[in-house]
Amino acid sequence: QSALTQSASVSGSPGQSITISCIGTSGDFVNYDLVSWYQQYPGKAPKLIIFDVTERPSGVSPRFSGSKSANTASLTISGLQAEDEADYYCCTLTRINGRSTYVFGTGAKVTVL
Amino acid sequence: QVQLDESGPGLVKPSATLSLTCTVSGTSINIHNWWSWIRQPPGGGLEWIGEVYFNGDRNYNPSLSSRVDISVGESKKQMSLTMISVTAADTAIYYCVRNKGHSFDIWGHGTEVVVSS
Repeated sequence: QSALTQSASVSGSPGQSITISCIGTSGDFVNYDLVSWYQQYPGKAPKLIIFDVTERPSGVSPRFSGSKSANTASLTISGLQAEDEADYYCCTLTRINGRSTYVFGTGAKVTVL
Repeated sequence: QVQLDESGPGLVKPSATLSLTCTVSGTSINIHNWWSWIRQPPGGGLEWIGEVYFNGDRNYNPSLSSRVDISVGESKKQMSLTMISVTAADTAIYYCVRNKGHSFDIWGHGTEVVVSS
């Protein structure tokens, strides 16, 4: 059902920057102005790291930044650290069959080499 | 400090009804506006199930709306999820979550539900 596609895996070396993309895949309306991003470690609940495309909750590292262009939202992790190895999900409000619903991306696994 | 604590049966038989409860501490449901249930199947991604407002207004994922009901308890300290006619596809970790605008800022630890005979 997901209307948002993410690269399945992204990797980088410590200190590098990586970008995870989140792309709408269906003809349904996707609201790219409301994109949020979540970090999830194995066996743990997800954690909000970006909301409203670019905003960071208090306490989230400034190494995480969000952006959007056209039909794509992106999460950039700068100065990659071992602790950034986790799964990352985008999310936004979309309209499916005329009804509003939140949809999550397919998820991206970040590996620190 | 706001905390969310999900509880439920753990094991549910196919075609039965699943009932989960979320206990809210550190705040009340009627202080913050919307509260959601989100689930994650084993090894899978996240799926939004639905949300409830403190006054009882609700919105559901269209793919689940015919089987799901979300409600707020009288004390405004609990939220419940009821899902009818469950199948193995409903096996997942179920999270109780606080909405922050159009994002989800506080998550419970999750409760695992297995649908099996």
